[in-house]
Amino acid sequence: QKEVEQNSGPLSVPEGAIASLNCTYSDRVSQSFFWYRQYSGKSPELIMSIYSNGDKEDGRFTAQLNKASQYVSLLIRDSQPSDSATYLCAGGYNNNDMRFGAGTRLTVKP
Amino acid sequence: DVKVTQSSRYLVKRTGEKVFLECVQDMDHENMFWYRQDPGLGLRLIYFSYDVKMKEKGDIPEGYSVSREKKERFSLILESASTNQTSMYLCASSGLAVQETQYFGPGTRLLVL
Repeated sequence: QKEVEQNSGPLSVPEGAIASLNCTYSDRVSQSFFWYRQYSGKSPELIMSIYSNGDKEDGRFTAQLNKASQYVSLLIRDSQPSDSATYLCAGGYNNNDMRFGAGTRLTVKP
Repeated sequence: DVKVTQSSRYLVKRTGEKVFLECVQDMDHENMFWYRQDPGLGLRLIYFSYDVKMKEKGDIPEGYSVSREKKERFSLILESASTNQTSMYLCASSGLAVQETQYFGPGTRLLVL
């Protein structure tokens, strides 16, 4: 089992809808998680981090962590065409590094 | 703002050449990382370093080596480039606190012919 797995998509939603991105992780991944957004041809940029069970909201983005189910998700409300990108889930691994999922490509259609 | 820079955006090399990719960060971060990113495989960790002259193997270190002589600089070396090393290479850095956010450089797209 990979340390971090994402539903690979691609995912397509209409403008204004909620996009839901999901990620599961193995026992070897510790309890800090990150969502990165990567536009085509660009490097990943951090959207949100989450360390505690429950929800964390930042504007249109909500990260959800469920430690019992080893599951982390990202919800994007009122999706915009500018949200079209690949979203990478990452989890802390050992003490100093992270492991990334393969990414989910999101397309928001006008 | 955190700034991570990489020496080249695009590189074309021939099989068997020695290739140097350099990464510099200006945030006094202890940790630095090298990843490669390939379609469908996501980001895979090649090597990381948590201090000057220290290095740890990641998931795919074969065919690569690294050097960290100064805190701000982390180099990735392909001793003898091969076509299967054609990829996007991303450098990242983070602070010392456990699992701090990693900040990425712009990437180097390497083509080995």
